Amino acid sequence: EVQLLESGGGLVQPGESLRLSCAASGFTFRSNAMTWVRQAPGKGLEWVSSISHSGGTTFYADSVRGRFAISRDNSKNTLYLQMNSLRAEDTAIYYCANQYSSGWSFYYFDYWGQGTLVTVSS
Amino acid sequence: EIVMTQSPATLSVSPGERATLSCRASQSVSGNLAWYQQKPGQAPWLLIYGASTRASGIPARFSGSGSGTEFTLTISSLQSEDFAVYYCLQYKDWPLTFGGGTKVEIK
Repeated sequence: EVQLLESGGGLVQPGESLRLSCAASGFTFRSNAMTWVRQAPGKGLEWVSSISHSGGTTFYADSVRGRFAISRDNSKNTLYLQMNSLRAEDTAIYYCANQYSSGWSFYYFDYWGQGTLVTVSS
Repeated sequence: EIVMTQSPATLSVSPGERATLSCRASQSVSGNLAWYQQKPGQAPWLLIYGASTRASGIPARFSGSGSGTEFTLTISSLQSEDFAVYYCLQYKDWPLTFGGGTKVEIK
């Protein structure tokens, strides 16, 4: 059974940093692309960042590029999201998800974690 | 950026009736479209990918159609567990973009 378990969320002040983790199990993590998607309170879904199976290729939404960094440790089956210079508008539930991929093509998200809440407020 | 527009924002349907949800892309995404269901307090759940392929375990009452810029999710006979918010996602180009969602509520 595929399981994705996010952690690391919490309350931080504007300008501070936070690192999210997503522990994966039940599938061959090192073979799959992964992604982060967020959802502000009462709002829709927003794709944040994706990373290839090897970690060598990354993609970012304009809203987070230069502030957030996605990475992975395939030896630990763990995905990360380093979030710096946080703003109030980054407040959201952050979901990690497995992204179906084939070769160098990225597709849809098929398995999701339950999310971790990040609140940016003074 | 490809903008995804879903309509209507809210759909009121009686149990057992058909629901038809629309998703429009600002430019062609070919068949690179997925549909998700999200219930309150839960993560999204994949229903459809490739515009029309049901994900594993998804009941046959869910069907997807369309290509290019116009897509439809049809729920043939709404069950109580189908009342939720539905999102479309295009994965043709970066940045990947979701529609704003359609809430299917009990009439």
